[in-house]
Amino acid sequence: GAVVSQHPSRVICKSGTSVKIECRSLDFQATTMFWYRQFPKKSLMLMATSNEGSKATYEQGVEKDKFLINHASLTLSTLTVTSAHPEDSSFYICSASSLGHGTEAFFGQGTRLTVV
Amino acid sequence: GENVEQHPSTLSVQEGDSAVIKCTYSDSASNYFPWYKQELGKRPQLIIDIRSNVGEKKDQRIAVTLNKTAKHFSLHITETQPEDSAVYFCAASKSTGKLIFGQGTTLQVKP
Repeated sequence: GAVVSQHPSRVICKSGTSVKIECRSLDFQATTMFWYRQFPKKSLMLMATSNEGSKATYEQGVEKDKFLINHASLTLSTLTVTSAHPEDSSFYICSASSLGHGTEAFFGQGTRLTVV
Repeated sequence: GENVEQHPSTLSVQEGDSAVIKCTYSDSASNYFPWYKQELGKRPQLIIDIRSNVGEKKDQRIAVTLNKTAKHFSLHITETQPEDSAVYFCAASKSTGKLIFGQGTTLQVKP
């Protein structure tokens, strides 16, 4: 299957700072990338859909100004958590899909964010 | 909106027994139904998937059934082994790559 790489895998930051998470498709061009958030012992909740060269589409209840998504190329999408607070601590995971791979989604390794 | 309900939330079976997890989806336009196994702190791992033009699919000890009319699909694991212990998620999609996940099932297989 296709490979998606997400970095960093773990990050600890102070309250009020911003954190950027990168999601890269290594061996295919991802027309669309998705960002999910997962709290401990909970399911993956879709945050936003990221399309290359256009604005992200956010799910209801997700703050656009807090979770900035940029999809500058067909292989890279970034999620920036701005002015992070302890309640933003979570597992963030991206997935990518492409027309060439049909409907299957390919997941990054995930990022464990801890805000102290 | 789109919703996927998954049951049970926890499931404990004896090694060698079968395990069944059920999901129901709300959006009749959904046409792709993957199942994922997730270990703690790791990415979801696709274990099997089914598309809406198929009623059943099997891969060794794992099988998935789909009932489009009732809008539900199920995961069946036979001859369970301790290494099958994990959290399992169902999901539904409309062929866009966007997945709506069920709540998850923690499966424990006792030796």
